[in-house]
Amino acid sequence: GAVVSQHPSRVICKSGTSVKIECRSLDFQATTMFWYRQFPKKSLMLMATSNEGSKATYEQGVEKDKFLINHASLTLSTLTVTSAHPEDSSFYICSAPRWGSLTGELFFGEGSRLTVL
Amino acid sequence: DAKTTQPNSMESNEEEPVHLPCNHSTISGTDYIHWYRQLPSQGPEYVIHGLTSNVNNRMASLAIAEDRKSSTLILHRATLRDAAVYYCILRDVNRGSTLGRLYFGRGTQLTVWP
Repeated sequence: GAVVSQHPSRVICKSGTSVKIECRSLDFQATTMFWYRQFPKKSLMLMATSNEGSKATYEQGVEKDKFLINHASLTLSTLTVTSAHPEDSSFYICSAPRWGSLTGELFFGEGSRLTVL
Repeated sequence: DAKTTQPNSMESNEEEPVHLPCNHSTISGTDYIHWYRQLPSQGPEYVIHGLTSNVNNRMASLAIAEDRKSSTLILHRATLRDAAVYYCILRDVNRGSTLGRLYFGRGTQLTVWP
């Protein structure tokens, strides 16, 4: 079964509103989680590293005020797309490394498809 | 990060073996070779990883060249459910807290015909 879960899986919102996407590690604690964005027919692009109890680290070119990340607990990270616009429509995916994955697998959520009208 | 090069697409018939190549000529000694796949509208899924020796698991086999500059993911009997984008990614184990960061290339779109 899934070890990393995202919610919602799909969301449609009006331009100018804010949308929150949750990423949960289900049976393990994750001090670090990662957020990716994927446009249609394109590869995943790493957006930011979410750190429990501290500020997120954003990749170059990603607006931190646009994409707010909160990692308030060891099992939950949230991504808030603020004042969303149609160009923010994308597939957002989170991942979390689990103990024992020093060289092994990373676990990804199911993804959240955002459509901004 | 060391880059990987993969063919954009490959095709296979069901029940046949599939060999998905990946070139990583700038790989460093501490880079592990990882393969993930992504089915349509889903998050990526781990397939296999290795360092120097060939590896087998229930999903696939990974053949690593002796000089480590290339590798091949082998699906022994392709099924329709194997149709996905396959990503070959290098992970440097010395990167500490950034270990979970993955930089995805374009990957190979595998089409499986019935």
